[in-house]
Amino acid sequence: GNSVTQMEGPVTLSEEAFLTINCTYTATGYPSLFWYVQYPGEGLQLLLKATKADDKGSNKGFEATYRKETTSFHLEKGSVQVSDSAVYFCALLKGYSSASKIIFGSGTRLSIRP
Amino acid sequence: DVKVTQSSRYLVKRTGEKVFLECVQDMDHENMFWYRQDPGLGLRLIYFSYDVKMKEKGDIPEGYSVSREKKERFSLILESASTNQTSMYLCASSFGELNTGELFFGEGSRLTVL
Repeated sequence: GNSVTQMEGPVTLSEEAFLTINCTYTATGYPSLFWYVQYPGEGLQLLLKATKADDKGSNKGFEATYRKETTSFHLEKGSVQVSDSAVYFCALLKGYSSASKIIFGSGTRLSIRP
Repeated sequence: DVKVTQSSRYLVKRTGEKVFLECVQDMDHENMFWYRQDPGLGLRLIYFSYDVKMKEKGDIPEGYSVSREKKERFSLILESASTNQTSMYLCASSFGELNTGELFFGEGSRLTVL
């Protein structure tokens, strides 16, 4: 079946460090891929997405490239800020019917030190 | 901005009680979802609805039911709460007949069952 695996946290970095959060998926065909972010005390919000192989999603300085050959969608940011501290979820969607379901990874908690 | 509002941020209930979690969205979205979020398990889909009075089981529907009498409101019901239903519950909505994977989440309802 379809699944998403992301690196376990917590991840702790200093401000201005380079960030990578790994995400790999298992699915047949070409699912759409997403990163959602959950800031403290808030619900999840969509950070970025990619719908086909080699697409790059980007938002707020974060980027992720849909790699079909490695079934990966790693999240990167060149210089993190304290305000990036949050839980990040990788997710996939297979199909577009009303019955299609989004499958989320387990989440990676990111803490940024000043 | 899309707003998804969950009626209670924190609830404490006793085993066997009936629990209602309410969710309202203000953007005329067709699709609504209930997830539970547990550490290490990510988000798991309980039920979803793509139209008024329509409902579909998600991955973990046992012990839950839902109601969607109006387009903007989607209720999650625990008929007889148990301690293993202690969790964070997240409501989400999305636009359109097709599920694009772009969900708008509420802030969550943290339920403790004693």
